[in-house]
Amino acid sequence: NAGVTQTPKFQVLKTGQSMTLQCAQDMNHEYMSWYRQDPGMGLRLIHYSVGAGITDQGEVPNGYNVSRSTTEDFPLRLLSAAPSQTSVYFCASSLSEGNTIYFGEGSWLTVV
Amino acid sequence: ELKVEQNPLFLSMQEGKNYTIYCNYSTTSDRLYWYRQDPGKSLESLFVLLSNGAVKQEGRLMASLDTKARLSTLHITAAVHDLSATYFCAVVALGGSQGNLIFGKGTKLSVKP
Repeated sequence: NAGVTQTPKFQVLKTGQSMTLQCAQDMNHEYMSWYRQDPGMGLRLIHYSVGAGITDQGEVPNGYNVSRSTTEDFPLRLLSAAPSQTSVYFCASSLSEGNTIYFGEGSWLTVV
Repeated sequence: ELKVEQNPLFLSMQEGKNYTIYCNYSTTSDRLYWYRQDPGKSLESLFVLLSNGAVKQEGRLMASLDTKARLSTLHITAAVHDLSATYFCAVVALGGSQGNLIFGKGTKLSVKP
């Protein structure tokens, strides 16, 4: 049981490049989410999913794309990276409403 | 729109003292979460509060929820250095999805000898 696994842990991108942050969980959780954490801003929701094939936007979705083709995986795609997307990204998952929400180790992204 | 406010944002305590962190939220909710984050690390779940009047305790930390006042508290008893970290509360709006947590900005706690 690996919990919530994020890759890569660190990444440097050039402005305009695209990339995918991977998130996988092996707990058969229905709910998965992506957050970004910036200094002084707390965590802000980017996109979330309540099950395979179902996704919805959070507070800061612009510039990001998601899909949920399987229960286990919830990748986050940066379409054309901008310096404003420099942040720490956290993936989270939970089994159902009212259960503990588990977070991955984080992915540190720098866009230059 | 659900907003979550924590105070204080910074807290410097002496070992052995007691203190309370407050988490206020702006719209009705029935689910509130507390997390701890150490520098450069992930978020560790501390408490899940699911109903009005819920109280949970773990070691020197105790969390409570008053849904009528839209307020949760995290009480620290006899602080020790190991409790130094940033503490976040996060709320799900009533009827909202578990995937959609709204976080406070966090309280950075420093416990000094």
